[in-house]
Amino acid sequence: AQSVTQLDSQVPVFEEAPVELRCNYSSSVSVYLFWYVQYPNQGLQLLLKYLSGSTLVESINGFEAEFNKSQTSFHLRKPSVHISDTAEYFCAVSRSNTGKLIFGQGTTLQVKP
Amino acid sequence: DAGITQSPRHKVTETGTPVTLRCHQTENHRYMYWYRQDPGHGLRLIHYSYGVKDTDKGEVSDGYSVSRSKTEDFLLTLESATSSQTSVYFCAISESVQVNEQYFGPGTRLTVT
Repeated sequence: AQSVTQLDSQVPVFEEAPVELRCNYSSSVSVYLFWYVQYPNQGLQLLLKYLSGSTLVESINGFEAEFNKSQTSFHLRKPSVHISDTAEYFCAVSRSNTGKLIFGQGTTLQVKP
Repeated sequence: DAGITQSPRHKVTETGTPVTLRCHQTENHRYMYWYRQDPGHGLRLIHYSYGVKDTDKGEVSDGYSVSRSKTEDFLLTLESATSSQTSVYFCAISESVQVNEQYFGPGTRLTVT
């Protein structure tokens, strides 16, 4: 069975500092990987995704994630965070043709001034 | 933003009463999903649909039923609401099960007293 583990439930950082949100998954087959972001009182928005090809994927607002098959990880990073990045972040994994996403427990990123 | 609406956005109901939540999409996507979001659990799949009148159970389906009589509408019914069903419910849609990139609605906050 697949599972997704987000290793930190809360990550407090100061504005303009770098951040890494960790995600590990377990699966014996090839998967697709996603990061979603949820701002307060809103639904989830897709931040970035890994489907195939380059293992480093980027979002339009400066986040990036690297697929590491040997370590079964898909950590999310940003070199300099802003107050507006304060949100909850969810890692998710999908196997082709299953029609299901498996989500991690979520990581709350709190950016302090 | 994907055209997904949920109604009602907020509801308070009493234990033992039936409740129906509605998800409406204007994207003509084939796949639709219902999740619940609870602290520490991330999002968990309740039921999903892969076409009109075609539905299947997710990991937390007990106490819930769904119906999909039209492509655009996916209804979630709590047949006899319990306090353990107090949660935030999200609907999602997907065009392809191969990649399964899902788009989420704004959510419904349900409180069962």
